[in-house]
Amino acid sequence: AQTVTQSQPEMSVQEAETVTLSCTYDTSESDYYLFWYKQPPSRQMILVIRQEAYKQQNATENRFSVNFQKAAKSFSLKISDSQLGDAAMYFCACLNAGGTSYGKLTFGQGTILTVHP
Amino acid sequence: GAVVSQHPSWVICKSGTSVKIECRSLDFQATTMFWYRQFPKQSLMLMATSNEGSKATYEQGVEKDKFLINHASLTLSTLTVTSAHPEDSSFYICSARRGFKNIQYFGAGTRLSVL
Repeated sequence: AQTVTQSQPEMSVQEAETVTLSCTYDTSESDYYLFWYKQPPSRQMILVIRQEAYKQQNATENRFSVNFQKAAKSFSLKISDSQLGDAAMYFCACLNAGGTSYGKLTFGQGTILTVHP
Repeated sequence: GAVVSQHPSWVICKSGTSVKIECRSLDFQATTMFWYRQFPKQSLMLMATSNEGSKATYEQGVEKDKFLINHASLTLSTLTVTSAHPEDSSFYICSARRGFKNIQYFGAGTRLSVL
């Protein structure tokens, strides 16, 4: 079984500032993927960023970047130049690429991000 | 690209009736779709994995006779909540897995209210 833990139920940031959301995971598989999804008030799940576990280089998508520490099983999300539209619930998720749970996403508890103008 | 459509977005029904929710991948074929349930301000809980042309695989604790899943084509999966009761009221979300990148794209969700 795999687990994903987000220890920050809520975070806040000033517009234009930088914020980091934490995530740790545990999986017995050697091949897996990590994701951050965003769920705004509309409740539509939106993919923010994806990281392949075999890649050492941290993924980056515009203002969003991750700090992937494989040995520590840590996968944090950094949002730079925060915008009001970034306000949402953020979910960290892990997907096994093998084993009996192949293809299934396991989500963390979520972090509610508030952006102050 | 990678659009997943889910209908209806909101449904209200009487206790004892059945409700069908549709999930369509509009611009790609999805051999595998997933159904989740989400309570307010909580995480997504996987209910079942829907595979085209075969029986769905249900997670432990999910009643397969209550939540019927059909994946009859590469672009459509349906979830039918049979004999719905107030405790089935929730937000249901589908997703479709696209290709070898193992990315799941999500529908906008369906809010089910059972009176």
